[in-house]
Amino acid sequence: EPEVTQTPSHQVTQMGQEVILRCVPISNHLYFYWYRQILGQKVEFLVSFYNNEISEKSEIFDDQFSVERPDGSNFTLKIRSTKLEDSAMYFCASSQNSNQPQHFGDGTRLSIL
Amino acid sequence: RKEVEQDPGPFNVPEGATVAFNCTYSNSASQSFFWYRQDCRKEPKLLMSVYSSGNEDGRFTAQLNRASQYISLLIRDSKLSDSATYLCVVTLSGSARQLTFGSGTQLTVLP
Repeated sequence: EPEVTQTPSHQVTQMGQEVILRCVPISNHLYFYWYRQILGQKVEFLVSFYNNEISEKSEIFDDQFSVERPDGSNFTLKIRSTKLEDSAMYFCASSQNSNQPQHFGDGTRLSIL
Repeated sequence: RKEVEQDPGPFNVPEGATVAFNCTYSNSASQSFFWYRQDCRKEPKLLMSVYSSGNEDGRFTAQLNRASQYISLLIRDSKLSDSATYLCVVTLSGSARQLTFGSGTQLTVLP
């Protein structure tokens, strides 16, 4: 069964540094998403992406964050000037269209020191 | 008021038991409804979509009551492998692509 893959599985970064989290969505999917889950809390929507542009974003997704689809397969989340409170699991998801269920990757655990 | 509210549990049930989870949502214009399951420190995995007419998938039955803004999940003949956190998920009107998650209900099935 096709799946969403994410790399790295765990990223440890010093506060203030930039990180790039990578995702390869399912190949025939057109919509891509990033979510995060702070330890012990619920999953929170960050951003959705379609046709090479952001279609929706939450209040969490401020100027510190950006997304990109640099080629035909990768979908990245960049976090600039990381803060301690950015420590969380970051999940990438994709769906065939906006009405189909979203399938999640197994996440990147981001630890900011 | 939380957008999606669930009883956090934990629910500890013996193998073979029937267990029911409830969820309420605050936005009456919510469009789509799902149950996901999440194992400890893993990604959410879609369990089933929830339709107004109710739907069943094997041992799992989901119900939606739009008038009461209430969603339920029933698990029959529970297995050890059903132990997980069950997440109630909705999409809000105008944000069809943005999933809004409840905090989840933790289930442990005991041998």
